[in-house]
Amino acid sequence: SQTIHQWPATLVQPVGSPLSLECTVEGTSNPNLYWYRQAAGRGLQLLFYSVGIGQISSEVPQNLSASRPQDRQFILSSKKLLLSDSGFYLCAWSSPPPTQYFGPGTRLLVL
Amino acid sequence: GQNIDQPTEMTATEGAIVQINCTYQTSGFNGLFWYQQHAGEAPTFLSYNVLDGLEEKGRFSSFLSRSKGYSYLLLKELQMKDSASYLCAVRENSGYSTLTFGKGTMLLVSP
Repeated sequence: SQTIHQWPATLVQPVGSPLSLECTVEGTSNPNLYWYRQAAGRGLQLLFYSVGIGQISSEVPQNLSASRPQDRQFILSSKKLLLSDSGFYLCAWSSPPPTQYFGPGTRLLVL
Repeated sequence: GQNIDQPTEMTATEGAIVQINCTYQTSGFNGLFWYQQHAGEAPTFLSYNVLDGLEEKGRFSSFLSRSKGYSYLLLKELQMKDSASYLCAVRENSGYSTLTFGKGTMLLVSP
């Protein structure tokens, strides 16, 4: 069966510091991968999605970036965090599309 | 673009039936999803409708009317554990399986 992992589970970072969140999927090949952010009182916002290694599409221009170095690995990064980057970051996969399944999420607090 | 509307909050009593509505406006519809999200956790997949009609899955059913841009999630025999946020998401008729989520409906089930 398929499983999805995210780490870390929680993170507290100062403004201006870098960020790296990792997501890995097991039990499936060539999944579509997605990064979402859920801010307090707001809906899920799609940040990035990837249909294959090295293929990244950005939905929202911001100071975040994503990379997919391996088939089942998806990384969300930032060089300098902003206060507005605080939120609940969720990775999701689909294989085959369209149903998406979410990982446990990373709760990020930028101070 | 898309516009998805759901009620912000609903309350219901244990053992009762509740209907959560979702209306959407989209340039190219290609499916509607319902997810359940408990506080502090990731969303979990409940249902997927692409054709008009009712899909039943245990205590949960989901209905879609494409001509009206309308869906509802019906929860029967409510239990306390059904207290959660219910997210409606629409898939557009594009090349990739990206979803646009509504802000969710917070359901509180009381004894």
